Amino acid sequence: AQTVTQSQPEMSVQEAETVTLSCTYDTSESDYYLFWYKQPPSRQMILVIRQEAYKQQNATENRFSVNFQKAAKSFSLKISDSQLGDAAMYFCAYRSFVGETSGSRLTFGEGTQLTVNP
Amino acid sequence: DAGVIQSPRHEVTEMGQEVTLRCKPISGHDYLFWYRQTMMRGLELLIYFNNNVPIDDSGMPEDRFSAKMPNASFSTLKIQPSEPRDSAVYFCASSRTSGSNIDTQYFGPGTRLTVL
Repeated sequence: AQTVTQSQPEMSVQEAETVTLSCTYDTSESDYYLFWYKQPPSRQMILVIRQEAYKQQNATENRFSVNFQKAAKSFSLKISDSQLGDAAMYFCAYRSFVGETSGSRLTFGEGTQLTVNP
Repeated sequence: DAGVIQSPRHEVTEMGQEVTLRCKPISGHDYLFWYRQTMMRGLELLIYFNNNVPIDDSGMPEDRFSAKMPNASFSTLKIQPSEPRDSAVYFCASSRTSGSNIDTQYFGPGTRLTVL
């Protein structure tokens, strides 16, 4: 079974600065997806970014980017120019690649609580 | 496009009562997932459907839990009888197997269930 580990229960960053959240995973599969979700106090789970394991290029979405190291099974999230609205719990998640279907479950890490200081 | 819709947003009930949580997936999505979030166990998958058919219910904790998807636009998760340890936030998510962003699961706002 796959496992996802987020070793930083809490992180803090000053507004406008950059922060990196760590995630490692364990799998024997070669094809899979990785995701970062954000959960603000409203509890809504919001997709931040996704990465397909077969892609060499790191995914980027505006101020959010990932450092995907497949051999090391590492998938960190970098938030640039941090904003107060970025404060939330961040979850790393893994999903198997099952052909053309999306039938497989998401396995989540424990989460990292990010505080943004003004 | 409307996102995943869940109701109610909050539910407070007494032990032994029946609880029904509802979900409307994003139109055109053919997979629907029910997750539960607790402090002790984090986020865990309870059950998921493909084209209204339950595919994997191995995460359903016990017989008190049941889920149905009578059509492509509606699913329910029922707990009968409810117990205090069922208190959690229950999320519904949906995804698609065609078009853009396939396989990405989009979550509803969640239902916070409190069983007294």
